[in-house]
Amino acid sequence: DADVTQTPRNRITKTGKRIMLECSQTKGHDRMYWYRQDPGLGLRLIYYSFDVKDINKGEISDGYSVSRQAQAKFSLSLESAIPNQTALYFCATSDSRGRNTEAFFGQGTRLTVV
Amino acid sequence: AQSVAQPEDQVNVAEGNPLTVKCTYSVSGNPYLFWYVQYPNRGLQFLLKYITGDNLVKGSYGFEAEFNKSQTSFHLKKPSALVSDSALYFCAVRDITGGYNKLIFGAGTRLAVHP
Repeated sequence: DADVTQTPRNRITKTGKRIMLECSQTKGHDRMYWYRQDPGLGLRLIYYSFDVKDINKGEISDGYSVSRQAQAKFSLSLESAIPNQTALYFCATSDSRGRNTEAFFGQGTRLTVV
Repeated sequence: AQSVAQPEDQVNVAEGNPLTVKCTYSVSGNPYLFWYVQYPNRGLQFLLKYITGDNLVKGSYGFEAEFNKSQTSFHLKKPSALVSDSALYFCAVRDITGGYNKLIFGAGTRLAVHP
């Protein structure tokens, strides 16, 4: 969905390096999420934010941190990357208003830690 | 805890035949259920959802899903498969634990439609 933009789309980094994945959205949604996708495991929630001052850990937050710089921006950081953080990362947004509770996803960032 | 299970890693079907991708759920309270599709090198796209009302939900690209409360299932269906339907399909359930609304996904089912 072009309304949710992730950068970079692909990244290779070395073990121990700090890396930031960025997400921006033009949908005007208040809620933003970071998921990682691994084969056979589906998508697992890393962090979520329901507004700029609200940050919550998801299922697998260890080794990650996030920053909600504005309603439209939500970045994910790996402070010291390790090989088992190699995965496909997705940012998603949703709207707390009304009953449209589905999430909208970016195109993903493929991260490889070597 | 809320969860969904997709019992099949892969489903193979011939073009023109009906397809079913299975999903079962475990929730406390009324379930909000979703199907998403992921094409190669793309993000997840929303297909359909069940919130309340009719048990048969119609969605994008000719897909539909049947909610069955007694069997705790929400299977995705299409009457006539296309080769272009080949993709990875995810079932998801809304989790409101702690007052926060988030989606919990199944492991995914790869659908392969053969000409």
